Amino acid sequence: DIQMTQSPSTLSASVGDRVTITCRASQSIGSWLAWYQQKPGKAPNLLIFKSSTLESGVPSRFSGSGSGTDFTLTISGLQPDDFATYYCQHCRDYPYTFGQGTKLEMK
Amino acid sequence: QLQLQESGPGLVKPSETLSLTCSVSGGSISSSRYYWAWIRQPPGKGLEWIGNIYYSGNTYYSPSLRSRVAISVDTSKSHFSLQLRSVTAADTAVYYCARSIGVSSTPYKWFDYWGQGSLVTVSS
Repeated sequence: DIQMTQSPSTLSASVGDRVTITCRASQSIGSWLAWYQQKPGKAPNLLIFKSSTLESGVPSRFSGSGSGTDFTLTISGLQPDDFATYYCQHCRDYPYTFGQGTKLEMK
Repeated sequence: QLQLQESGPGLVKPSETLSLTCSVSGGSISSSRYYWAWIRQPPGKGLEWIGNIYYSGNTYYSPSLRSRVAISVDTSKSHFSLQLRSVTAADTAVYYCARSIGVSSTPYKWFDYWGQGSLVTVSS
């Protein structure tokens, strides 16, 4: 199985900050990576697929990049609604696996 | 707007079978563009993919659960179902159903619509 490792596990930031979350795959997955946002008690919400393609309706302050084994999710100009947990997921092959999550908390 | 809704018992006894159904509305479960998925999340932990099913019945399962899991689809009722046998406390989780979208005829897929989730507790 392909293992996904996110860092950091927790990130403290303030409204207006630019933050970056990293996801590393245990082997090359090309650009087959998705990012999700999850708020407490809610289902995950798709933000980005194919490493950098923004899902319809997702604000443009979210962006993704990377290929191979190293990927990043960047939020430019944090908004109060962005404090949540973020997960990456590889889409390269079965079985799909997720990163362990990065909790973005208010400083 | 596509909607997915999980239903089933919230409490299952150890060694018994967990059964959940996901009802799909606002779109066709028989579309050739999509697979349908089950994903779970133990309390306070991360996400675990359980398996995908196509409207034709083709399935793909997580190797760690393959010996205990079965996913089926009923296109006439526009729903798909999860059965997990011989459950233990480790199977306690919120179970999500989701739509799996991506590149046709490949495993390159992600999840764009999710149900609200159904908490299943395994306890005697």
